[in-house]
Amino acid sequence: KNEVEQSPQNLTAQEGEFITINCSYSVGISALHWLQQHPGGGIVSLFMLSSGKKKHGRLIATINIQEKHSSLHITASHPRDSAVYICAVRGNYGGSQGNLIFGKGTKLSVKP
Amino acid sequence: DSGVTQTPKHLITATGQRVTLRCSPRSGDLSVYWYQQSLDQGLQFLIQYYNGEERAKGNILERFSAQQFPDLHSELNLSSLELGDSALYFCASSKMAGGSGEQFFGPGTRLTVL
Repeated sequence: KNEVEQSPQNLTAQEGEFITINCSYSVGISALHWLQQHPGGGIVSLFMLSSGKKKHGRLIATINIQEKHSSLHITASHPRDSAVYICAVRGNYGGSQGNLIFGKGTKLSVKP
Repeated sequence: DSGVTQTPKHLITATGQRVTLRCSPRSGDLSVYWYQQSLDQGLQFLIQYYNGEERAKGNILERFSAQQFPDLHSELNLSSLELGDSALYFCASSKMAGGSGEQFFGPGTRLTVL
């Protein structure tokens, strides 16, 4: 079983829809990152969370440490949001301290 | 633009060869991380350097090695290349030593081993 699981793997939405991507993890963490990978391959850091909720424009990220779960929401989705969204956790145990452990990613396609 | 640069952008080579990937971190960042992204494994942490010293090691093969120089740029050396080493290699940088803080990713080097 992967230490970081994302769902769904693939997501197709119509422009304007509200989108939720989920991330569950099974290890102790000090922080959780949401990353966006564009079709060209470049990776952009969207959020780093250790508790609560963060908002940036149309993007909202939440984390529930007790339930080991995080969600990334996109409001009023747009075709330019089409990308792979990757959840990564920073372990706080043993030799993994500080290292990022990645989910497999969620491929989002927003149709006009 | 994250401020992290990687060269080359693309690299095509043959099995058994050796290549060097280069990364320059953002100004002021002391930590450099190397990651491998392959189709079957996804993103995996390889190794971290902080201010010239190896800080943490992940799933890095013995055929791979890295170093960070006094000017803080880093190189990842891949030797005795195999077909399975074909992947995107990213470096990222951050200010902190322990992996805390946001990491800024470079554009990646796409390695193709034929």
